[in-house]
Amino acid sequence: KQEVTQIPAALSVPEGENLVLNCSFTDSAIYNLQWFRQDPGKGLTSLLLIQSSQREQTSGRLNASLDKSSGRSTLYIAASQPGDSATYLCATRGHSGGSNYKLTFGKGTLLTVNP
Amino acid sequence: GAVVSQHPSRVICKSGTSVKIECRSLDFQATTMFWYRQFPKQSLMLMATSNEGSKATYEQGVEKDKFLINHASLTLSTLTVTSAHPEDSSFYICSARVAGVSEQYFGPGTRLTVT
Repeated sequence: KQEVTQIPAALSVPEGENLVLNCSFTDSAIYNLQWFRQDPGKGLTSLLLIQSSQREQTSGRLNASLDKSSGRSTLYIAASQPGDSATYLCATRGHSGGSNYKLTFGKGTLLTVNP
Repeated sequence: GAVVSQHPSRVICKSGTSVKIECRSLDFQATTMFWYRQFPKQSLMLMATSNEGSKATYEQGVEKDKFLINHASLTLSTLTVTSAHPEDSSFYICSARVAGVSEQYFGPGTRLTVT
């Protein structure tokens, strides 16, 4: 059974700082890994999706890396802004189709960027 | 594109009553919809997977007679919490995917409070 762990559980940084969020997973046989953002009381916004064959994906100030063999992914946020404050969730999708379309989520990292 | 809506966004009901939550794909046809539950400071946990026109597949530990899922069309799935109890109070989020596409698109969530 896949288990996804995110460290740290919470992070508070001053505006402008670069930061890294970590995600680890126990079963390396994943189809892809996805990073989401969740604002308080809201749904999920997809940030980046990395296929199992890829090493990283970039979107603006965000860069996500994937090391499938070691079961790790990182989300790098450059020049953080107060608007980046949210909970960041990591999720893996199992390999192949059928029921393995389901996502397994970590508990998230609560990020606070202070002005 | 790929917008998923949920209704209602918040609902309060009395213990013992039933409540229905709707999940709609607004601009695409969703062959598969997923229902997740999220307790405070916990990760999203998949409850069930539903394919249009067929019975839902429930995750281990989820009571199918308590959480009734109907996916009658390619744009609508409903989750009915029957005989709700205070411990059913949670944030319920749906997601939807199109056949042949890996990514899931998430709704904004429904906050259920059972008094």
